[in-house]
Amino acid sequence: AIQLTQSPSSLSASVGDRVTITCRASQGISSNLAWYQQKPGKAPKLLIYDASSLQSGVPSRFSGSGSGTDVTLTISSLQPEDFATYYCQQFNSYPITFGQGTRLEIK
Amino acid sequence: QVQLVQSGAEVKKPGASVKVSCKASGYTFTSYGISWVRQAPGQGLEWMGWISNYNGNTNYAQELQGRVTMTTDTSTSTAYMELRSLRSDDTAVYYCARGPYCSGGTCYSQWFDPWGQGTLVTVSS
Repeated sequence: AIQLTQSPSSLSASVGDRVTITCRASQGISSNLAWYQQKPGKAPKLLIYDASSLQSGVPSRFSGSGSGTDVTLTISSLQPEDFATYYCQQFNSYPITFGQGTRLEIK
Repeated sequence: QVQLVQSGAEVKKPGASVKVSCKASGYTFTSYGISWVRQAPGQGLEWMGWISNYNGNTNYAQELQGRVTMTTDTSTSTAYMELRSLRSDDTAVYYCARGPYCSGGTCYSQWFDPWGQGTLVTVSS
């Protein structure tokens, strides 16, 4: 199974900051990666698919880049509603796997 | 709008079975499979498998093979996930999600969108 390792595992930041979360795959996954945002008690919400395509309705401050083994999620200017846990997911091969999550907290 | 609505919370004893439903609306049900993902308390996301709503083909996570069965009812646009021989470590929120995309009998692995609201399954004696 492809292992996805997210870094950092947790992050404290302030409103207006630019933050980047990295997802490293144990083997190449091309661009077959998605990013999700999850708030407490809620289902995950798709933000980015195919590594860099913004899901409809998602604010443009979210962006994704990379391919192969290293993919990143960037939030250009943090808003209060962005404090949540973020997960990457690869769909390049079965079993589908998720990163362990990155918890983004308010500083 | 595209929506998945799941059945309510369940409490089961070890060794029992649970069956969770997921009713879809707002899109052509047979054009997508339904995937199931679970999340233990305070933990990350674990993919369990998917079912094609076009032909009933399934793809299960290896560690659940033999204990999980996913089915679909196209007449009601509802997918089901049954997990048997429940253990305490099966306690989790179970989510259904739309995906993969299926065309002409072939399903193409992809992202999940949208997700159901989740169903808490508690396994306790």
